[in-house]
Amino acid sequence: GAVVSQHPSRVICKSGTSVKIECRSLDFQATTMFWYRQFPKQSLMLMATSNEGSKATYEQGVEKDKFLINHASLTLSTLTVTSAHPEDSSFYICSGGAAYNEQFFGPGTRLTVL
Amino acid sequence: AQTVTQSQPEMSVQEAETVTLSCTYDTSESDYYLFWYKQPPSRQMILVIRQEAYKQQNATENRFSVNFQKAAKSFSLKISDSQLGDAAMYFCAYRTTLYNQGGKLIFGQGTELSVKP
Repeated sequence: GAVVSQHPSRVICKSGTSVKIECRSLDFQATTMFWYRQFPKQSLMLMATSNEGSKATYEQGVEKDKFLINHASLTLSTLTVTSAHPEDSSFYICSGGAAYNEQFFGPGTRLTVL
Repeated sequence: AQTVTQSQPEMSVQEAETVTLSCTYDTSESDYYLFWYKQPPSRQMILVIRQEAYKQQNATENRFSVNFQKAAKSFSLKISDSQLGDAAMYFCAYRTTLYNQGGKLIFGQGTELSVKP
């Protein structure tokens, strides 16, 4: 199957700082990318859908100004957590694929905010 | 809105035995996709099996098979000849075919499967 990478795999930051997470499709073009958040022992919760070249669509309850998503190319989407706080600590997963084809998941990024 | 429910938070199976994980969903759509994903301790999501709603035949992938009951909105996963490597969190997921939904997945709560040697 196709490969999606995420960077960094782990990040620790201080409260109030911003953190950028990259999601790359390595061997295919991802017209659509999804960003999920997962707490321990819980399911994946969709945060937003990003389409290349257009604004992201955020799920209800997700703060657009806090979680900035950019999908500037067919192989790269970024999630920036602005002014991070301890409650933002979580596991963030991206997935990419053509709109109705199989979604390929990245390995995830563990964010810890001190 | 569509919902996916997995009512078994945890399941356990003896190695080489068979186990069935349950999943129900709610939708008003007639055409959609259903998936089972595996998430091992590494937390990498792995596609186990996929079912198109318009297909009556149940999908199978080696030791993994599904029992898709469209009228009952049920989509269970059967794992035969369970192996230690099958131990993981399993998620059932729904995907609409509607264009304006962009192919997003709606996940169930997950079932944690342990395999006893």
